[in-house]
Amino acid sequence: NAGVTQTPKFQVLKTGQSMTLQCAQDMNHNSMYWYRQDPGMGLRLIYYSASEGTTDKGEVPNGYNVSRLNKREFSLRLESAAPSQTSVYFCASLRTGMGQPQHFGDGTRLSIL
Amino acid sequence: GQQLNQSPQSMFIQEGEDVSMNCTSSSIFNTWLWYKQDPGEGPVLLIALYKAGELTSNGRLTAQFGITRKDSFLNISASIPSDVGIYFCAGPNAGGTSYGKLTFGQGTILTVHP
Repeated sequence: NAGVTQTPKFQVLKTGQSMTLQCAQDMNHNSMYWYRQDPGMGLRLIYYSASEGTTDKGEVPNGYNVSRLNKREFSLRLESAAPSQTSVYFCASLRTGMGQPQHFGDGTRLSIL
Repeated sequence: GQQLNQSPQSMFIQEGEDVSMNCTSSSIFNTWLWYKQDPGEGPVLLIALYKAGELTSNGRLTAQFGITRKDSFLNISASIPSDVGIYFCAGPNAGGTSYGKLTFGQGTILTVHP
């Protein structure tokens, strides 16, 4: 059982390039989330998808777009990468219910030069 | 929005020592979650607390849900080198349409010297 799988694990981009981070979960979870993690700032929510077919902004959505392709997959796109988007990106999923724990992938380490 | 203040920010301890960290909020939480992040990996749930005053253990880890519902504590007894990592507290955002969104503390970085 893979849980939450993120690809790629590492990526280096030049400023202005675009790329899509992929996330898939095999736990039949309804909700999925994208976070970024920066030193000393914990995890900040970028976008989330409460259920298939819906997406909503989180705390730091600027510069990102998302697609909930189906129940399993939730992708994060950087249209024009900026150095400020250098970070570690985590995808998470949740079955349902208030206060239920989210399950995380192992992250994508993204550097933008 | 809601904020969680986690302390200490970092700890350097000797193997075998006990560790305590805490998380406080200005607003009430109905659930407290404690996660651990190993270097190079994603956070993994350690303990979930759902009731004020609840004390829950997971091996050498013990967590408590504060009576005021505005704080939570995590203790690690007899630390070992593999306890190294970042520990996060988290709680669900308020409101009926939170859709499982969580607020995270800033994390406590734990280093254990053999």
